Amino acid sequence: EDQVTQSPEALRLQEGESSSLNCSYTVSGLRGLFWYRQDPGKGPEFLFTLYSAGEEKEKERLKATLTKKESFLHITAPKPEDSATYLCAVMGSARQLTFGSGTQLTVLP
Amino acid sequence: NAGVTQTPKFRVLKTGQSMTLLCAQDMNHEYMYWYRQDPGMGLRLIHYSVGEGTTAKGEVPDGYNVSRLKKQNFLLGLESAAPSQTSVYFCASSYLFGSGTDTQYFGPGTRLTVL
Repeated sequence: EDQVTQSPEALRLQEGESSSLNCSYTVSGLRGLFWYRQDPGKGPEFLFTLYSAGEEKEKERLKATLTKKESFLHITAPKPEDSATYLCAVMGSARQLTFGSGTQLTVLP
Repeated sequence: NAGVTQTPKFRVLKTGQSMTLLCAQDMNHEYMYWYRQDPGMGLRLIHYSVGEGTTAKGEVPDGYNVSRLKKQNFLLGLESAAPSQTSVYFCASSYLFGSGTDTQYFGPGTRLTVL
């Protein structure tokens, strides 16, 4: 059974204070590890897919990295508009997404 | 393009009542999904469809039924609602199935409360 654990559950940062979100996973036959952003009252919005250990992807202030057991979402010099819940999900050989419970990020001005 | 839309946005039911949630997508995607999201548990797959007229069970299918009569629509039904079905329901669609090179596009969600 695929499993995803995200930490911390909640994170409060000052604007400009860089940090990282963690996604630990176990999966049979990794097809992809996905990061989504979810704003309050809205559906998840796709950010990145990572496929193999060592891979990195960047988008604006966000950078996602992948190892064989974990993925990190690094946020550099965050702004208040980066406040959201960040979801991690894996797709394995069962070809279905398994989601973590998310990290709620608040960036204070 | 509107992407994935869901109706209604909010609904309150009494225990034992029935209702249908409608999902529509205009991206010509073959594959569609229904998830529920509960606090502290993440999104869980209820049912999915790999094409018009086909449906399959996901992780938590009990108490729900689905239908895919048209390619662009995916309906989720609750025949006899229970308080345990209080949740936020999301519909999603994708071009490919079970592919790490594709992504699922999500609708805005329906918040359902069962009293």
